[in-house]
Amino acid sequence: GNSVTQMEGPVTLSEEAFLTINCTYTATGYPSLFWYVQYPGEGLQLLLKATKADDKGSNKGFEATYRKETTSFHLEKGSVQVSDSAVYFCALSERNQGGKLIFGQGTELSVKP
Amino acid sequence: DSGVTQTPKHLITATGQRVTLRCSPRSGDLSVYWYQQSLDQGLQFLIQYYNGEERAKGNILERFSAQQFPDLHSELNLSSLELGDSALYFCASSVVPVGTGLTDTQYFGPGTRLTVL
Repeated sequence: GNSVTQMEGPVTLSEEAFLTINCTYTATGYPSLFWYVQYPGEGLQLLLKATKADDKGSNKGFEATYRKETTSFHLEKGSVQVSDSAVYFCALSERNQGGKLIFGQGTELSVKP
Repeated sequence: DSGVTQTPKHLITATGQRVTLRCSPRSGDLSVYWYQQSLDQGLQFLIQYYNGEERAKGNILERFSAQQFPDLHSELNLSSLELGDSALYFCASSVVPVGTGLTDTQYFGPGTRLTVL
């Protein structure tokens, strides 16, 4: 079945460091890919998405490129801030399955001043 | 604010009891999804409704049921509660044109934290 695998956390970085959170997926068809972020005590917010191969999603300095050949959707940010501390979830959705999201296990990011 | 509301925010109850979680989707969204977030299972899809009809089922226990009403709000009913049902329950909504094969963004509510003692 479909699945998403993320790098394990927690990830601890200093402010202004470069961030990469790896995400790979297994899917039978052509999924859409998403990154959601969960701040402490809050619900999930969509960070960015990509709906087809080679698409790049971007938002708030974060980027991820849909790589079909490596079945990956790694999240990157050039310079993290303390306010980026949160849990990040990679997810996929198959068009022919009603749109339900399949999530990775989440990666906790902690940014220190 | 995503526009999706969930009530209550917190719920504490005892084993064997039954509870109802409520979700109001964003204005205009016809599709509602329920997810469970727990430490051991992570985020898991439970069930989806579209315009009042059940469209997809995930890892939902038989003790759990849901429905979507004509005004599009949805309720998740959890019965014969066990300690392991303690989790965060999220509702999400989207405009998913059923039958078109399109995928739309899901907007999540703040969640209901259920604690079973």
